[in-house]
Amino acid sequence: QVQLQESGPGLVKPSGTLSLTCAVSGGSISSTNWWSWVRQPPGKGLEWIGEIYHSGSTNYNPSLKSRITISVDKSKNQFSLNLSSVTAADTAVYYCARISSTSSYQNWFDPWGQGTLVTVSS
Amino acid sequence: AIQMTQSPSSLSASVGDRVTITCRASQDIRNELGWYQQKPGKAPKLLIYAASSLQSGVPSRFSGSGSGTDFTLTISSLQPEDFATYYCLQDYNYPYTFGQGTKLEIK
Repeated sequence: QVQLQESGPGLVKPSGTLSLTCAVSGGSISSTNWWSWVRQPPGKGLEWIGEIYHSGSTNYNPSLKSRITISVDKSKNQFSLNLSSVTAADTAVYYCARISSTSSYQNWFDPWGQGTLVTVSS
Repeated sequence: AIQMTQSPSSLSASVGDRVTITCRASQDIRNELGWYQQKPGKAPKLLIYAASSLQSGVPSRFSGSGSGTDFTLTISSLQPEDFATYYCLQDYNYPYTFGQGTKLEIK
């Protein structure tokens, strides 16, 4: 049973870079899945950030694209998120999730990590 | 980006009630939509994918329907553990987008 676990600093200074890692256990990151980041500001809704395949192919949300890098480390079975030039608006719970697909390209997000709160503050 | 509009934003209901939540897409997304349940302090949980396919382990009182631009999530008989916030998510094209959520509260 695949499990995901986010890790990283809970506090980042404004204009700094937010860096998070999602460790995958119970399965291989080199499977035929995409791996994704989603965030949720306190008391608000969900926002898709981006995704990566084990080959390194990525897709990003255009609203964040200029500031995002998602990378994969197959040797450690994990993937990572870097978000640069952060402001208070980037304060959120960040989730990682696995994306599975049907042969007809319908996708679904499951499982999810438990989430990690990142606060942007000086 | 495709906009997903859920209604209602909040809903009060009683145990045993039948409840329907709707999600409307700003353009045709075929059946590429999922429904997720989120409880306070927890990660979202997949309920339905491909508009009407029930995720393994999810109770059969949950069902989804629709295609094109209009979708519904139905809970046939509310249980105490169903009080949560529900989100739709379109995976038809990038960027994937969520509805704003529907908070289901106990009446």
